[in-house]
Amino acid sequence: DTAVSQTPKYLVTQMGNDKSIKCEQNLGHDTMYWYKQDSKKFLKIMFSYNNKELIINETVPNRFSPKSPDKAHLNLHINSLELGDSAVYFCASSLGLERPYEQYFGPGTRLTVT
Amino acid sequence: GDSVTQMEGPVTLSEEAFLTINCTYTATGYPSLFWYVQYPGEGLQLLLKATKADDKGSNKGFEATYRKETTSFHLEKGSVQVSDSAVYFCALSVRDDKIIFGKGTRLHILP
Repeated sequence: DTAVSQTPKYLVTQMGNDKSIKCEQNLGHDTMYWYKQDSKKFLKIMFSYNNKELIINETVPNRFSPKSPDKAHLNLHINSLELGDSAVYFCASSLGLERPYEQYFGPGTRLTVT
Repeated sequence: GDSVTQMEGPVTLSEEAFLTINCTYTATGYPSLFWYVQYPGEGLQLLLKATKADDKGSNKGFEATYRKETTSFHLEKGSVQVSDSAVYFCALSVRDDKIIFGKGTRLHILP
């Protein structure tokens, strides 16, 4: 059973397009996250949601908009894609607002903007 | 602010060598500490964790001890295998909604 899944695994698109990445977790967790990993493997948190409520919104362009239809899903929509958006995007989930706060990651979506 | 510093890689070792990857942290509160591993083409997996001082996390032959006096959480393994080749991330969490990751250390194990 896949705990945290993302679709698609690879996404190649042109500048200016709008795209979405979907994430689902079947762990019954309350909190979900989006991370961006650059080419040097540096991980940066973008958003976190707890029970469908936005908790963290780091310094991310407005072109990025997360949507959580229910606590098992957290999708990421990106408008007007730019070359600099090329990266691997990871979804993650955690049990909720209690220690030790460990997170479970999806397999990643490699986005390439040409 | 809270931060994690880990040794830069890549680290290249021969099979069966002893491994240490250093990690130190700065935190305003009382953090939980983690090591995550990322195998090629995959997402991050939790390798081990420790939630209070002097706790030792261990998994798959890897160990790390939460040292409050030196603010460190070094990762060790007595005998590495080729299959341990991956990127290793040290991380901390003091809040219920955020994990702060180090920059990652790439490990290459030669047969």
